[in-house]
Amino acid sequence: DSGVTQTPKHLITATGQRVTLRCSPRSGDLSVYWYQQSLDQGLQFLIQYYNGEERAKGNILERFSAQQFPDLHSELNLSSLELGDSALYFCASSVGGPGYEQYFGPGTRLTVT
Amino acid sequence: GQQVMQIPQYQHVQEGEDFTTYCNSSTTLSNIQWYKQRPGGHPVFLIQLVKSGEVKKQKRLTFQFGEAKKNSSLHITATQTTDVGTYFCAGLGDSNYQLIWGAGTKLIIKP
Repeated sequence: DSGVTQTPKHLITATGQRVTLRCSPRSGDLSVYWYQQSLDQGLQFLIQYYNGEERAKGNILERFSAQQFPDLHSELNLSSLELGDSALYFCASSVGGPGYEQYFGPGTRLTVT
Repeated sequence: GQQVMQIPQYQHVQEGEDFTTYCNSSTTLSNIQWYKQRPGGHPVFLIQLVKSGEVKKQKRLTFQFGEAKKNSSLHITATQTTDVGTYFCAGLGDSNYQLIWGAGTKLIIKP
């Protein structure tokens, strides 16, 4: 158990819909990262927050947005969903910036039908 | 932009054989991290290398960071079924603002 929690574990929704994925970092960690992993593919970095502020952006679509709240939990919002958005979404946390080891949550599996 | 290339994409080995995966960066790295993802699981941090020429060992795993800090390798001696999974490297560039991930090497043990 990494100490990072993600909800929900599974999500099935239709094209065009909007969903919110939630992540709680390990106690004491200030950074939260979001990743997308399509079937049998690598990890695509989406976005990083540090202590409530956006710090780095990767290959995040304009239809996707995220935020980190004062209690340090984070949410990833995916809108106008397409079939290609079906993937495993991981959240990770670290005590500092990207130079620190990251602890990954169990992931949310999103299926868009 | 900065890229981290990881090869091979897949490696099939007999149990007991050795396994190696390589990462090469287009630019100098401040550090490199290695992660392992078991089938159906999430990535788990293995190790971080920061010094030029650094070599670290964890039981049957040997990690190296190149002298120029642009490449790294992970070598597993005498693979076991518990080693199955995908191994990712992730490098931090001099800008220190974003970790760049390799595509991963999937280790498959032949039956």
